[in-house]
Amino acid sequence: GAVVSQHPSRVICKSGTSVKIECRSLDFQATTMFWYRQFPKQSLMLMATSNEGSKATYEQGVEKDKFLINHASLTLSTLTVTSAHPEDSSFYICSAPQGGAGNTIYFGEGSWLTVV
Amino acid sequence: AQSVTQPDIHITVSEGASLELRCNYSYGATPYLFWYVQSPGQGLQLLLKYFSGDTLVQGIKGFEAEFKRSQSSFNLRKPSVHWSDAAEYFCAVGRGGTSYGKLTFGQGTILTVHP
Repeated sequence: GAVVSQHPSRVICKSGTSVKIECRSLDFQATTMFWYRQFPKQSLMLMATSNEGSKATYEQGVEKDKFLINHASLTLSTLTVTSAHPEDSSFYICSAPQGGAGNTIYFGEGSWLTVV
Repeated sequence: AQSVTQPDIHITVSEGASLELRCNYSYGATPYLFWYVQSPGQGLQLLLKYFSGDTLVQGIKGFEAEFKRSQSSFNLRKPSVHWSDAAEYFCAVGRGGTSYGKLTFGQGTILTVHP
């Protein structure tokens, strides 16, 4: 069945460095993907909408210069956390709908980011 | 703006007992409603979804949910819980059109199953 895969599943980086997380739709094309952040024991909060071939749309309060999103192909979106700080440590999850309204929305396995 | 409320943060049931997880939503039009399950440190798995038609929706793993427009609710039920159902459950609401896929999640309900 359709799968959305994220990589890496876990990453530790030093404060001030950048880290890239990939989100791939494995057997379907996704013109739109979504990035969420989930802090421990909290719910998922939408960060941004990733649009293939155009700029991402960010939710209010999310710094677009800090969380760079690139959706260069119909099967890949990347989230780059730039100049990471310990407060950016979180679980990042992507999702992609398999088609238009009413179709299943698949989520990736998530990526744990720890900034030390 | 759309919102979702899951009133119960933590529910404990005995294995074999019935289960109902509550979900109330706020949305101006006909919503797209979802229930997802998340095991610790894992991604989300879709249990079921509703967007039109029969208001009683059947999902995977023996789960079902009923859409009640008058109560703005979409409660998840299972007649007999198994120990493997222990996880966190999220209700989510979304819209159609070009924004399809953009979800607002509830706070989640942690389910503990006692043997």
